[in-house]
Amino acid sequence: NAGVTQTPKFRILKIGQSMTLQCTQDMNHNYMYWYRQDPGMGLKLIYYSVGAGITDKGEVPNGYNVSRSTTEDFPLRLELAAPSQTSVYFCASTDPQGTYEQYFGPGTRLTVT
Amino acid sequence: AQTVTQSQPEMSVQEAETVTLSCTYDTSENNYYLFWYKQPPSRQMILVIRQEAYKQQNATENRFSVNFQKAAKSFSLKISDSQLGDTAMYFCAFSYSGTYKYIFGTGTRLKVLA
Repeated sequence: NAGVTQTPKFRILKIGQSMTLQCTQDMNHNYMYWYRQDPGMGLKLIYYSVGAGITDKGEVPNGYNVSRSTTEDFPLRLELAAPSQTSVYFCASTDPQGTYEQYFGPGTRLTVT
Repeated sequence: AQTVTQSQPEMSVQEAETVTLSCTYDTSENNYYLFWYKQPPSRQMILVIRQEAYKQQNATENRFSVNFQKAAKSFSLKISDSQLGDTAMYFCAFSYSGTYKYIFGTGTRLKVLA
């Protein structure tokens, strides 16, 4: 049972480059989330999705885009990377009909220089 | 607006001792869920314990237990017989029924000393 998987684990980007962080879950959860965690801080919600084809902004969406074409996948796109986007990114999913527990991926450490 | 406050940025405890991490929250909702997540140096977020607001009985999971005071909007985590492997960042989180939204506190860094 893989749970929530994220790729890559680490990435270094130059300012202005773009990339996509991949997230896949195999638990058939409708709700999926992207968070960022800055050093020594808590989690801030970037985007979330309540099902395929439905996405919405969270607390800090600027500089990011998402899509949800399937229940399993929820990629996060960074356009024109900036040093302020240096962070650890977590993908998570939950089944709101169940325990409300969030299941997290292992995270992606992104550095923009 | 819902908020979660963890007022202890850092704590330390001797191995085998007991430690309590504090968490307070603010909400006008009646049906909600509270969580404690552990984040060890590996970065993986791990659920430690959860509490449904409608349950008066405090949740327990082995060495971990909570003191849930609904009227005071307080949700503290007690770790008994602390182990070196408990060294981690601990996050308190809140979610209310019928919404996508999870609110996380800023975390408490716990260090267990040998």
